[in-house]
Amino acid sequence: AQRVTQPEKLLSVFKGAPVELKCNYSYSGSPELFWYVQYSRQRLQLLLRHISRESIKGFTADLNKGETSFHLKKPFAQEEDSAMYYCAPPGSGYALNFGKGTSLLVTP
Amino acid sequence: SQTIHQWPATLVQPVGSPLSLECTVEGTSNPNLYWYRQAAGRGLQLLFYSVGIGQISSEVPQNLSASRPQDRQFILSSKKLLLSDSGFYLCAWSPNRGTEAFFGQGTRLTVV
Repeated sequence: AQRVTQPEKLLSVFKGAPVELKCNYSYSGSPELFWYVQYSRQRLQLLLRHISRESIKGFTADLNKGETSFHLKKPFAQEEDSAMYYCAPPGSGYALNFGKGTSLLVTP
Repeated sequence: SQTIHQWPATLVQPVGSPLSLECTVEGTSNPNLYWYRQAAGRGLQLLFYSVGIGQISSEVPQNLSASRPQDRQFILSSKKLLLSDSGFYLCAWSPNRGTEAFFGQGTRLTVV
């Protein structure tokens, strides 16, 4: 089954510092990966998907097939970026399995 | 536009009591439906998913069950709650296989 691994449960950075949230996947074929975010007291929502190659709120994520990674990056973290972040693969069949999530804390 | 409703928002139930959480989707037909549990330190765990009426796939064996009596209704149930069933339960839907999922507001369940 396709899986993702998010090695960091908690990541704490200072405001203005670069941030990288790691995600590694195991998947045969061409995966379509997503990053979801859950801000405090808000719904879990899509942040970005790799296929669209977009930048949302300053975040980008590049699919690296050689390293089987889909790390989420932002050059300058802001306090409002503090949230729970989940990486998600397409899953086996219709299942949508998420990683365990990384809690990002941006401190002033 | 599509919306997803999940209720109740919070629930406190005694051990051994039954459970029924309901989720409905509006504005779409034949969605894929999901139940997740979000627990501190354990991330987002897929419990059940459904690709059609009466079709339920269980990802994790446990004290819970799911049903889909109508196209846009997904119910999470238990006959007898355990303390370990406490957690935050999320319902979600997606239009197609491997596409974006849309989440409900979640239900905070506390079993006492």
